[in-house]
Formats: sequence, structure tokens, C-alpha cells
Amino acid sequence: KNQVEQSPQSLIILEGKNCTLQCNYTVSPFSNLRWYKQDTGRGPVSLTIMTFSENTKSNGRYTATLDADTKQSSLHITASQLSDSASYICVVSYMNYGGSQGNLIFGKGTKLSVKP
Amino acid sequence: KAGVTQTPRYLIKTRGQQVTLSCSPISGHRSVSWYQQTPGQGLQFLFEYFSETQRNKGNFPGRFSGRQFSNSRSEMNVSTLELGDSALYLCASSLASNQPYEQYFGPGTRLTVT
Repeated sequence: KNQVEQSPQSLIILEGKNCTLQCNYTVSPFSNLRWYKQDTGRGPVSLTIMTFSENTKSNGRYTATLDADTKQSSLHITASQLSDSASYICVVSYMNYGGSQGNLIFGKGTKLSVKP
Repeated sequence: KAGVTQTPRYLIKTRGQQVTLSCSPISGHRSVSWYQQTPGQGLQFLFEYFSETQRNKGNFPGRFSGRQFSNSRSEMNVSTLELGDSALYLCASSLASNQPYEQYFGPGTRLTVT
């Protein structure tokens, strides 16, 4: 069964500290993995998209890694800011005929709180 | 360039009623996908439309339906509302249907069923 598991469910860190969020998946055949940031009451915003051949991708203070062999991904946030408080959702897509956007499996997210 | 817009932003309905939600994609985007987000289940895929055709459908009952117009705007309809339909409904648009095109989400419509 195609699944995406994220850990931890929630995390509290102090402003300025680094943190790493984890994503494990059992999606096959793999197409790509995305990380989204979702502020409370708003739609998700894409941070990174990685295909099979990419193992690291950065977007400012956000760095995502992908290990396709172990089916694990992580999102590292450097020098956290109060505005990083949000839910971070890992999304894995699988290939099928036609490659529809509908082949997306969503994790339930990690809720990050950055405290001053 | 304007982002994805959804109307209305908030909606309160009673059980048994029906509701129609609207989504206007980013100009030039032809694919629109709909998702339901609840605290317990997270984001779940409802359906995707591309060039007025439904390309894919999630595992939801037939009470959930949608359509796309020639200008790529999309609507979703939920008939015979149930309490469990209370959720944030998100739509996302992308240039095309094939992956890994970037998806851009709207702010969502918060539906409360009483």
C-alpha cells in the first residue's frame, strides 16, 4: 500500500536553532517527492520537488534530501525564524500511465512551532 | 501574476444541503485538482481536471462531483451534506497534468456542516 509517514508529528524549537523533519515512504513506482509548507488557514506552498536522480535540493534556508534506496527524505531548516512556524507536508507521487497530478500520496505533516 | 483564487472562503451549511465551491486557476494553467483536508486524515485527493476532462478521481463517494469550464475555472459540488464533510477544501492548479509540474494551491474554502 502506498503510504507516506512523517515524524515527528509536532516539534517546538527556539528561534535561531536548526531542525530536521523526516519523511518515510512506501510509494511505488516512485516519480517525485515534494515538501510543502502550510501556514494555519492557508493553502500549502511548495518548497522543493525532487525526482529520483536528485538527492539534495535547497530553497533558501530549507534543504531537502532524498535517499531513494531507503525511501527516506528529510527537510532541514537552518537558523529558524518565527515565520517558519507552520505544518510541513511531505508528498510522494507515483507513476502511472498518463502521469496525472492525482497520483500524489500526502503525509499528515509535521507541525513546527518556533518560539522566541 | 494572480494566484489561485477560491470562493467562497468560508461557508456554513446544514446536513442534507448541497454546496458548490469555485476555483480560478493561475492564468495559463490548465490542470485543476481538488483536495479535502481534515485534521484526522490530512490532505486527500478528490479529483483532477485537465482541459475540461476529469483525468483522475480519488476515493470519495459520488456525492462529490466537479467540472471544469473552457476557461479552466473549476467547480466542485457536494450534495446531501454530512457532518463529516466539514473540512478545508483546497484546489491547486498547474500548467499541465503530467508530473512533476509544480502545483499552486489556493487559500481554500472552509466548509462547516451543522
